[in-house]
Amino acid sequence: DIQMTQSPSSLSASVGDRITITCRASQSISTYLNWYQQKVGKAPKLLIYDATNLQSGVPSRFSGSGSGTDFTLTISGLQPEDFATYFCQQGYRPPRTFGPGTKVDVK
Amino acid sequence: QVQLQESGPGLVKPSETLSLTCTVSGGSVTSANYYWTWIRQPPGKGLESIGFISYTGSTNYNPSLGSRVTISLDTTNNQFSLKLRSVTAADTAMYYCARNRWDYTYALDVWGQGTTVTVSS
Repeated sequence: DIQMTQSPSSLSASVGDRITITCRASQSISTYLNWYQQKVGKAPKLLIYDATNLQSGVPSRFSGSGSGTDFTLTISGLQPEDFATYFCQQGYRPPRTFGPGTKVDVK
Repeated sequence: QVQLQESGPGLVKPSETLSLTCTVSGGSVTSANYYWTWIRQPPGKGLESIGFISYTGSTNYNPSLGSRVTISLDTTNNQFSLKLRSVTAADTAMYYCARNRWDYTYALDVWGQGTTVTVSS
């Protein structure tokens, strides 16, 4: 299986901050990398697919970058509704594994 | 707008079979653009792919679950189902069904709300 890691595992931030979450794959996955947001008690929501493509309806303050093994999710101008847990997922090969998540909470 | 809804027992006894169904509305499980997927999330933990099925009925399962898993398609009722045999407490989790887009680097773009399954006697 392709192993996915994320850093940090948690971070504290304030409204308006710019934050970056990193995801790393155990082998090259090209740009087969997707990002999700999950709020407590809710299903995950797709934010970004193919490493950089914003899912329809997702605010432009979310952006993704990377290819190969190293990827980032950036939120530029954190909003109150953005406090949540973020997961990366590789779509390169089954089983399509997820990172362990990064919890973003209020500083 | 496509919606997915999981249904099934919330409590399963150890060694028995967990059975869940996902009903798809606003779209068809026979669409060639998608795979239909089961994901689970143990309490307080991360997400695990269980497996998926295509519109042709071909399946792929997570090897970590071995031969305990079966995913099937019911085109008549526009549903797909999960069976997980010989369950233990480790199978206690929130179970989600989701739509998997092969043209979006296999991203899961539509999710059900999830259903909690507890394995306990």
